[in-house]
Amino acid sequence: GQQLNQSPQSMFIQEGEDVSMNCTSSSIFNTWLWYKQDPGEGPVLLIALYKAGELTSNGRLTAQFGITRKDSFLNISASIPSDVGIYFCAGQGEKSGSEKLVFGKGTKLTVNP
Amino acid sequence: DAGVIQSPRHEVTEMGQEVTLRCKPISGHDYLFWYRQTMMRGLELLIYFNNNVPIDDSGMPEDRFSAKMPNASFSTLKIQPSEPRDSAVYFCASRKGLLEQYFGPGTRLTVT
Repeated sequence: GQQLNQSPQSMFIQEGEDVSMNCTSSSIFNTWLWYKQDPGEGPVLLIALYKAGELTSNGRLTAQFGITRKDSFLNISASIPSDVGIYFCAGQGEKSGSEKLVFGKGTKLTVNP
Repeated sequence: DAGVIQSPRHEVTEMGQEVTLRCKPISGHDYLFWYRQTMMRGLELLIYFNNNVPIDDSGMPEDRFSAKMPNASFSTLKIQPSEPRDSAVYFCASRKGLLEQYFGPGTRLTVT
């Protein structure tokens, strides 16, 4: 089945630093979504991408839909302590049964004040 | 909008008991998904519905698990009988067409 490789698995950074994480796949996706999950809560949608090459920002967050449609990255600029959490990428494929999202395993972000 | 609503937020039960988790999707959304999240296995899709009809239940672990969606604003996930290995956080999510998918806050289930 379709799989997403998300990296890195974890990151430890200082407050103020920029962060970059990415997801890759051997399959083509029509949609890429990025979520953040805080402890004890459900994943919260950060950014949705629908077109190859699309670059979208949401405050300090920027995400891009790769030209090949097989990858996406998420950047966080000037990190702050509340950025701590687990970030998940999710893709929606173009094949039959692609109504369901495929999730990466997550990037755990720790921000040291 | 109130977002996806799940109840209860926490459930502690003894092995062998029946557990029912509830979900109210966002109004107007035609897709509803049930997921289970554990440290070991991450986020797993259990079942999803489109227009109240179950489309794919291949992720349901065993016959002990069942899900229903009697109308567009309500779904249940039932485990009978429950076992300790069912302990996890269960999420409901909803979506309109192929647009953004939104998750509920989850139900943390502990089976002792």
